[in-house]
Amino acid sequence: SQTIHQWPATLVQPVGSPLSLECTVEGTSNPNLYWYRQAAGRGLQLLFYSVGIGQISSEVPQNLSASRPQDRQFILSSKKLLLSDSGFYLCAWSPGPGQGPEKLFFGSGTQLSVL
Amino acid sequence: SQKIEQNSEALNIQEGKTATLTCNYTNYSPAYLQWYRQDPGRGPVFLLLIRENEKEKRKERLKVTFDTTLKQSLFHITASQPADSATYLCALGETGNQFYFGTGTSLTVIP
Repeated sequence: SQTIHQWPATLVQPVGSPLSLECTVEGTSNPNLYWYRQAAGRGLQLLFYSVGIGQISSEVPQNLSASRPQDRQFILSSKKLLLSDSGFYLCAWSPGPGQGPEKLFFGSGTQLSVL
Repeated sequence: SQKIEQNSEALNIQEGKTATLTCNYTNYSPAYLQWYRQDPGRGPVFLLLIRENEKEKRKERLKVTFDTTLKQSLFHITASQPADSATYLCALGETGNQFYFGTGTSLTVIP
């Protein structure tokens, strides 16, 4: 069966420090991968999605970036965090074309606090 | 601008009643619409998908309707239970690979 791992679960970082959040998926190949951010009490904002290795689409211009160095690995990064980067970050995957129904499977999330 | 709005931030209902949640959207052309459940501090969990050519979908105590003319989906939980208390999110999928989420409705079922 497919599983998604996301870490760390919580992170406290000072303003101006770098960020690296990692997400890996097991049990499937060529998944679509996503990073979402959720502010307190709000809906999910799509940040990045990827349909293949090295293919990244950005939805919101900001100081975050994403990379997909391997088929089932998705990394969210920042060189210098801002206070406004605080939030609940969720990685998700969906089956690739023709591999299954269109739905998202989410990781357990990372609660990021920038102080 | 594009918007996905859910009817209210919080909804309280009595156990055993039917909960009805609303999802309205503007400036999207979704190929399908989904509903997810999210518990505090957890990632959302997929519940139901309904396509643009479908009017209604059911799964156990859950029912979803989709009206592309009104640009609205209704999500019903019949015979609600305290365990149904959670935040419910609607999401739109267009012909690409993006999924866009609504603001969410927090449902509390009172025993």
